[in-house]
Amino acid sequence: DQQVKQNSPSLSVQEGRISILNCDYTNSMFDYFLWYKKYPAEGPTFLISISSIKDKNEDGRFTVFLNKSAKHLSLHIVPSQPGDSAVYFCAVTSGNTPLVFGKGTRLSVIA
Amino acid sequence: ETGVTQSPTHLIKTRGQQVTLRCSSQSGHNTVSWYQQALGQGPQFIFQYYREEENGRGNFPPRFSGLQFPNYSSELNVNALELDDSALYLCASSFQGGAPNEQFFGPGTRLTVL
Repeated sequence: DQQVKQNSPSLSVQEGRISILNCDYTNSMFDYFLWYKKYPAEGPTFLISISSIKDKNEDGRFTVFLNKSAKHLSLHIVPSQPGDSAVYFCAVTSGNTPLVFGKGTRLSVIA
Repeated sequence: ETGVTQSPTHLIKTRGQQVTLRCSSQSGHNTVSWYQQALGQGPQFIFQYYREEENGRGNFPPRFSGLQFPNYSSELNVNALELDDSALYLCASSFQGGAPNEQFFGPGTRLTVL
């Protein structure tokens, strides 16, 4: 049973527009949420995170929103750039428990 | 500062064989976690090593085992390989007690079992 779901396997966005990637989780005990970006032949790279005490965290072009009541988080990238094309993984954890990852969403930013 | 490195990059084995994958942790890190990423899936936690002992394990059978050495590098051993073991194996290093976002991944070893 998947604890973390990324229901869109792929997303295609025009350069300069907003990319919105979504993630749902099942267990309300999770209290820390992360987004990773992965290029081919590289390991996942940490992008941005948010703790359960916040509902928004912003870092440059990247913003993560958390809706605890809906057990939903999203990553917004504005403006999207061709270099953002990668697979994005949502990951969740609780305290020191291991990261639980979603299946990923492949983002393609078209110039 | 040296990042996380893994060897080999690619490996092809046949069913029933044994394999050893290696990971060197980032400078200053004392904990190594291993993940399996099957095709079309996200990374799945196998186990973690800290102070040369297993410090947490995911839902993987005992034929998946590991070691950590005094220099904090680590090995993942898989015995009696099965076709479903074909995957990208990722290691991640961190400092015990650090924040979740302070875990750094290596580039992975792609294992193909024929």
